[in-house]
Amino acid sequence: GAGVSQSPSNKVTEKGKDVELRCDPISGHTALYWYRQSLGQGLEFLIYFQGNSAPDKSGLPSDRFSAERTGGSVSTLTIQRTQQEDSAVYLCASSLDGSGGNTIYFGEGSWLTVV
Amino acid sequence: QKEVEQNSGPLSVPEGAIASLNCTYSDRGSQSFFWYRQYSGKSPELIMFIYSNGDKEDGRFTAQLNKASQYVSLLIRDSQPSDSATYLCAADRGSTLGRLYFGRGTQLTVWP
Repeated sequence: GAGVSQSPSNKVTEKGKDVELRCDPISGHTALYWYRQSLGQGLEFLIYFQGNSAPDKSGLPSDRFSAERTGGSVSTLTIQRTQQEDSAVYLCASSLDGSGGNTIYFGEGSWLTVV
Repeated sequence: QKEVEQNSGPLSVPEGAIASLNCTYSDRGSQSFFWYRQYSGKSPELIMFIYSNGDKEDGRFTAQLNKASQYVSLLIRDSQPSDSATYLCAADRGSTLGRLYFGRGTQLTVWP
């Protein structure tokens, strides 16, 4: 597609349920990122995929969070046993590769509300 | 200390004025610096990036970088109400390519 595509755009879930958020990066982009943005806060790095390299998971806040990237393209971020503090916008981004200076393009985000 | 710090504002300027947005960073290894604009409820969009010390101009926008002072700024000349948004400063991690540290953003309001 022309841009980074994320789904769902909005998700309301009950506390304790699992959620899956999907990201389809720009075609040809090998680097994919997940960030989280809580209300009034900056972007918090979660995880980074680059090609076939092992992902950088150092930003995942707890073991309830995991992410996969299949076939070097689509990525899924999974949050297990959701908590209210997980409510945020989850932004996926991609870039041509992971080298410094490459423009990172963001999707429109998945707005997650845990009630 | 946060890796990238910005004054959260809000910054309010009249239409036609120069808006000055500032950012400091802590990782001396950072090489690339970015300014993103984020409208309320929307995702960030890149405005400018800068790698070298000095100024970089693009239309009404000028990015300034001073690596010795670990300081980055964005000047918006002839500010327009449509420039009202949150501006995010970001720096790469010198030791880990691709990832960006983001500041919390500065909220700018341009009033007519």
